[in-house]
Amino acid sequence: QVQLVDSGGGVVQPGRSLRLSCAASGFTFSSYAMHWVRQAPGKGLEWVAVISYDGNYKYYADSVKGRFTISRDNSKNTLFLQMNSLRAEDTAVYYCASARTTVTVKPPLDYWGQGTLVTVSS
Amino acid sequence: QSVLTQPPSVSAAPGQKVTISCSGSSSNIGNNYVSWYQQLPGSAPKLLIYDNNNRPSGIPDRFSGSKSGTSATLGITGLQTGDEADYYCGTWDSSLIAGVFGGGTKLTVL
Repeated sequence: QVQLVDSGGGVVQPGRSLRLSCAASGFTFSSYAMHWVRQAPGKGLEWVAVISYDGNYKYYADSVKGRFTISRDNSKNTLFLQMNSLRAEDTAVYYCASARTTVTVKPPLDYWGQGTLVTVSS
Repeated sequence: QSVLTQPPSVSAAPGQKVTISCSGSSSNIGNNYVSWYQQLPGSAPKLLIYDNNNRPSGIPDRFSGSKSGTSATLGITGLQTGDEADYYCGTWDSSLIAGVFGGGTKLTVL
């Protein structure tokens, strides 16, 4: 069955960096675009970034553009989110999610990881 | 402030029907497919409806979706206490070149 396992979260000081990972299994990872979505404590979902199946196309929310980088290693079925210059407002649970079809980077988001909590605090 | 607008909360009695609206614009809902997600307390979101009105396998037909112009609607019939959750609409915004979600609607089954 499809499984997405998010990891890499933790407590980090403002201005520092963190890299999240998402290990995928149970489907042909290299055929699907992958997304990151976050949810601040007690708040709604916020879309963060998407990467095409081959890594050639990447799109970001304005709130993270220039600070976050999405990438993937199809040989290891793993998605990454490099987060630099972290701010208190980046505190959230971060979910990876797979696109439903192979032909586009657009939603819907079919399968979701369990999420990993990132806390930015001094 | 979310790009897509949803009511913060809705409620209905068990067995009844409820609808949740999602309002956007021509750059998002008006020209892209809408999907709906259910987030049970303490859990990750789950895809409920995709491409405006399609259900993934395993989603009961009590859940339905529709879209008209720049608005979309999620319908849930035969409400059960297990349906209590937060519901989010989502789509792509062709102007922002980004995914967008509604602010979420908390469903209470009284």
